[in-house]
Amino acid sequence: NAGVTQTPKFQVLKTGQSMTLQCAQDMNHNSMYWYRQDPGMGLRLIYYSASEGTTDKGEVPNGYNVSRLKKQNFLLGLESAAPSQTSVYFCASSEVTGYGYTFGSGTRLTVV
Amino acid sequence: SQELEQSPQSLIVQEGKNLTINCTSSKTLYGLYWYKQKYGEGLIFLMMLQKGGEEKSHEKITAKLDEKKQQSSLHITASQPSHAGIYLCGADNHGAGSYQLTFGKGTKLSVIP
Repeated sequence: NAGVTQTPKFQVLKTGQSMTLQCAQDMNHNSMYWYRQDPGMGLRLIYYSASEGTTDKGEVPNGYNVSRLKKQNFLLGLESAAPSQTSVYFCASSEVTGYGYTFGSGTRLTVV
Repeated sequence: SQELEQSPQSLIVQEGKNLTINCTSSKTLYGLYWYKQKYGEGLIFLMMLQKGGEEKSHEKITAKLDEKKQQSSLHITASQPSHAGIYLCGADNHGAGSYQLTFGKGTKLSVIP
């Protein structure tokens, strides 16, 4: 099984550009999450989706939007990228009654 | 929200030595997860603890959750270079059922051959 697949792995954006980070899971998990990881800050939750069609804000949602139209996909959008959004982004999924998250390998985003 | 403090922030040990990483919570831990991350890669799930006093082991790694459910420790016996990486603890934020994890900032482990 592929588990959780994130695309792209690397991306460089100019300030003000928009883009969508893609996340797909093949484990039929109900819940999916987007985190960002920054040096000295650890992992911080951006948005999560408890089930298909629902999304909720996490700790740091400003500047991002998400969509969960299909159970297996969770998309993270940046409408107008800012240098402060330079980070490593991780997608994860879990069973509602599961034993922890399965993480993707990350997307390293640089905004210049 | 729950805050998790990990200690130490970084650790350098000689191959073959034992080590312990701690994770302390400001609130009761309903579910405590340990993950390992190698540079440039995602997080690999190691273990989950839920009950006070619980202890789990996998190969040379043992994790414990104290009776009061506010502190967990991860112990590695006879460390190897393959153990090097960043270890993160994560905790269920809102109690049973929510599965939104808050993470500590991580402990960077280096193992010198």
